[in-house]
Amino acid sequence: QKEVEQNSGPLSVPEGAIASLNCTYSDRGSQSFFWYRQYSGKSPELIMSIYSNGDKEDGRFTAQLNKASQYVSLLIRDSQPSDSATYLCAVRTSYGKLTFGQGTILTVHP
Amino acid sequence: GAVVSQHPSWVICKSGTSVKIECRSLDFQATTMFWYRQFPKQSLMLMATSNEGSKATYEQGVEKDKFLINHASLTLSTLTVTSAHPEDSSFYICSARQGSSYEQYFGPGTRLTVT
Repeated sequence: QKEVEQNSGPLSVPEGAIASLNCTYSDRGSQSFFWYRQYSGKSPELIMSIYSNGDKEDGRFTAQLNKASQYVSLLIRDSQPSDSATYLCAVRTSYGKLTFGQGTILTVHP
Repeated sequence: GAVVSQHPSWVICKSGTSVKIECRSLDFQATTMFWYRQFPKQSLMLMATSNEGSKATYEQGVEKDKFLINHASLTLSTLTVTSAHPEDSSFYICSARQGSSYEQYFGPGTRLTVT
C-alpha cells in the first residue's frame, strides 16, 4: 500500500463547477496535511494546510480532514481555467517525513 | 513572505562534469531545507534533508557521494551533482521550512540536462 494515494484522474470539470480531489494515507500517526498545486514545468505551490479534523476554508478552497478514515480532500468551488494544474496531496508522517501522493491532474474547461 | 529561490533555473552539462545548484530562503531563516527530484509525469521524491551546520540525511537509494549537500548558513543550501550522467537529468527542487512550522515552501526548481 502506498503511503499517500490520490484519486488517479485526470479530472475534468466545467468552468464554475466544484472540483473534488481526494487523498488517503496509511500512517495513522500522521498529523499534518497539505495540498500543493503544480503547474506544468513549475515547482509546487502550497495552497492549503490542515491539522485538525473538519473543514478549513480559504477563499474558493476547502480542505477536509477525517483522521479516523485517514482521508483528506480538497474542494475547489467556482473552478476557473487557471485552476487547471496537478494537485499534490502531502502528508507529514509520524516519523517526520513529508510524503507526496502521485498527484491528480485537474482540467477546467470553459 | 516565505520565498525560496534557486539558481540556476536550468543547466545543460556534459556527462562526467559536476553541477552545483543553490537554494536560498530570501525572507526567512531556514534551519532545515529539503532536496527533491521529479522525473516527468512523476511525483516528487525526497533525496535528502539538509540541516544547517550538520551533515545532510539522505533517503534510501540516494548516493551521498554523488549528490553532495552543504547547508552552510541559515539561508543557503547547495546541491552538487558530481560526475553527472544522462540518467541524472531531472527537475531538482528545493524546499525550506520556516522555524518550527511544518509547512514547506518550494523554490522554482532547476532543470538539469546531462548530454
